[in-house]
Amino acid sequence: SYELTQPPSVSVSPGQTARITCSGDALPKKYAYWYQQKSGQAPVLVIYEGTKRPSGIPERFSGSSSGTMATLTISGAQVEDEADYYCYSTDNSDNYRAVFGGGTKLTVL
Amino acid sequence: QVQLVESGGGVVQPGRSLRLSCAASGFTFSSYAIHWVRQAPGKGLEWVAVISFHGTNKYYGDSVKGRFTISRDNSKNTLYLQMNSLRAEDTAVYYCAKDRTSGSRTGPDYWGQGTLVTVSS
Repeated sequence: SYELTQPPSVSVSPGQTARITCSGDALPKKYAYWYQQKSGQAPVLVIYEGTKRPSGIPERFSGSSSGTMATLTISGAQVEDEADYYCYSTDNSDNYRAVFGGGTKLTVL
Repeated sequence: QVQLVESGGGVVQPGRSLRLSCAASGFTFSSYAIHWVRQAPGKGLEWVAVISFHGTNKYYGDSVKGRFTISRDNSKNTLYLQMNSLRAEDTAVYYCAKDRTSGSRTGPDYWGQGTLVTVSS
């Protein structure tokens, strides 16, 4: 079955740049989506189609992709950005098959 | 504003069935695919299923295929998940989530707050 691989944790100090990666064989052809989930809350979409930011999401959130890796970058991370982050994408099969990465715990302190 | 409200969760014995509902408002429900996603306690997100905007096309994750059925009633703006032969590993918060793109299947954007399903004897 298709898998997306994320690092379990990333830690930065406030104001630093946080980068969270997501690796998957189908990413050269399929977009990555990124979700932020704070403790006890539902996920929130922060990046769609690899690089696009929904309205209301701060500009410090950006997405990029190269080959089999997608990256979520938080430039000047804030304490309030501390959360779990998940990538999402689909595989290359004819049948729609979606998957989430295992999630990355971002610590900002 | 987009609202998705899940209901129907609870405690159920292994092997039994349960049906979840998701009531939608604030957007044209019949134009969007809808997903079910679950999250076991302390674990990550797991994609469960998606149904196309017209209800014709349905796709499932491997762990629920053959046991769960996704459906929708566009006249009632409601999504369903029929869960049969439940197992302890199905214990999770179940979220419904609207697809971002009208008439297609891309990825979820808005999510409900979830309903907890506990499978235990």
